[in-house]
Amino acid sequence: EVQLVESGGGVTRPGGSLRLSCVASGFIFDDHAMSWVRQVPGKGLEWVSGISEMGGFTGYEDSVKGRFTISRDNAKNSLYLQMNSLRVEDTALYYCARVGASSVPGVSNYHYYYMDVWGKGTTVTVSS
Amino acid sequence: DIQMTQSPYSLSASVGDRVTITCRASRDIHNYLNWYQQKPGRAPKLLIYAASTLLTGVPSRFIGSGSGTDFTLTISSLQPDDFATYYCQQSYTTPRTFGGGTEVDLK
Repeated sequence: EVQLVESGGGVTRPGGSLRLSCVASGFIFDDHAMSWVRQVPGKGLEWVSGISEMGGFTGYEDSVKGRFTISRDNAKNSLYLQMNSLRVEDTALYYCARVGASSVPGVSNYHYYYMDVWGKGTTVTVSS
Repeated sequence: DIQMTQSPYSLSASVGDRVTITCRASRDIHNYLNWYQQKPGRAPKLLIYAASTLLTGVPSRFIGSGSGTDFTLTISSLQPDDFATYYCQQSYTTPRTFGGGTEVDLK
């Protein structure tokens, strides 16, 4: 069964740090880019960060740049999100998601990317 | 960053209704557009990618269309399992921004 399981969430003060983990199973982990997406309770989805298959390329949402770092350990089938200088507005449910890819017809080396497998999420609360 | 704007924010409909949700990108994203469904307390589920390609197993009543900046998700005949919130997301560039969501509830 294809599965993603997040952990590492918790409660911390503003300015604190947390490290989220996501363990993948049921698929070849290093065949896929991965992403973190968060959701404030009752609000919409927000893409936070993504990382390529081998970890050579990363991307971040503007409000987390310089504070969050995404990484992966393909030997451990694991994805991480190191979150530093946390703010109250970082409070959310954080999902780990597998990125699927399909070739763009007739255009070499271009792909459509989408998040096709999601974990259940881990909750981060930043409060004074 | 590319902004994604969905409308309506919410809609009420009955089983069997045809429902249309729109998503507008702040600039041309060709057809790099995904649609997700989310039910309360659950993780999102991918329905459509490349604006109109259904993920295997997604019912054919879900129809995606559009290109450039304007996209639509149509549910041709709403079923009880379809009451949920729907999100569009662009995959043209980073950050991979989402629309604000459209909640579909029972009239």
